[in-house]
Amino acid sequence: EIVLTQSPGTLSLSPGERATLSCRASQSVSYNYLAWYQQKPGQAPRLLMYAASGRAPGIPARFSGSGSGTDFTLTITRLEPEDFAVYYCQQYGSSPVTFGQGTKVDIK
Amino acid sequence: EVQLVESGGGLVQPGGSLRLSCATSGFAFSAHFMDWVRQAPGKGLEWVGRSKNKANTYNADYAASVSDRFTISRDESNDSLYLQMNSLKTEDTAVYFCVVNINGRPDWGQGTLVTVSS
Repeated sequence: EIVLTQSPGTLSLSPGERATLSCRASQSVSYNYLAWYQQKPGQAPRLLMYAASGRAPGIPARFSGSGSGTDFTLTITRLEPEDFAVYYCQQYGSSPVTFGQGTKVDIK
Repeated sequence: EVQLVESGGGLVQPGGSLRLSCATSGFAFSAHFMDWVRQAPGKGLEWVGRSKNKANTYNADYAASVSDRFTISRDESNDSLYLQMNSLKTEDTAVYFCVVNINGRPDWGQGTLVTVSS
């Protein structure tokens, strides 16, 4: 099983600042099938990035994903008020599919 | 446009059974892997199981926590994915989502709530 470790657990930032979220895999992710999701209370997860760096339809350009193998990063260049949420990474290239424990981005 | 609509959730007593459905449209149902994912209240996301595509004879994989109780199946006649849940436990309480992976991009349904309680 591929274990995904997200860091930091909580990121306290101000609107307009840059956010950098990390997702580290215990072994290489097949096909670089690594996705990032945003989730707000009471809502379903919203796909942001897929295959490490593909931006999902409708996702603003301030969101970007990078990385390969075992180290992946989600970057939000300038935080907007609606970006404060919990972010999860997921590897879906092999079974069992696994998720990180989440990074909460909150307002400083 | 890919559409996934889950149904069948509700309140069930511990030890009971429930079958969830995921009605699909907008893609070649038999060609793609599909997953069930759940989220317990206030918790993170947990993968439940996967149905591989027809080329892989729809073989299924399961999380260890459900492997002896849950069964994933498909019906090509109506492009639907199912999750049969038996011997339900209180810890199975969660929102259940179906997910399809098309060309490397996951698409999710909105989920259906399962509550296991006496």
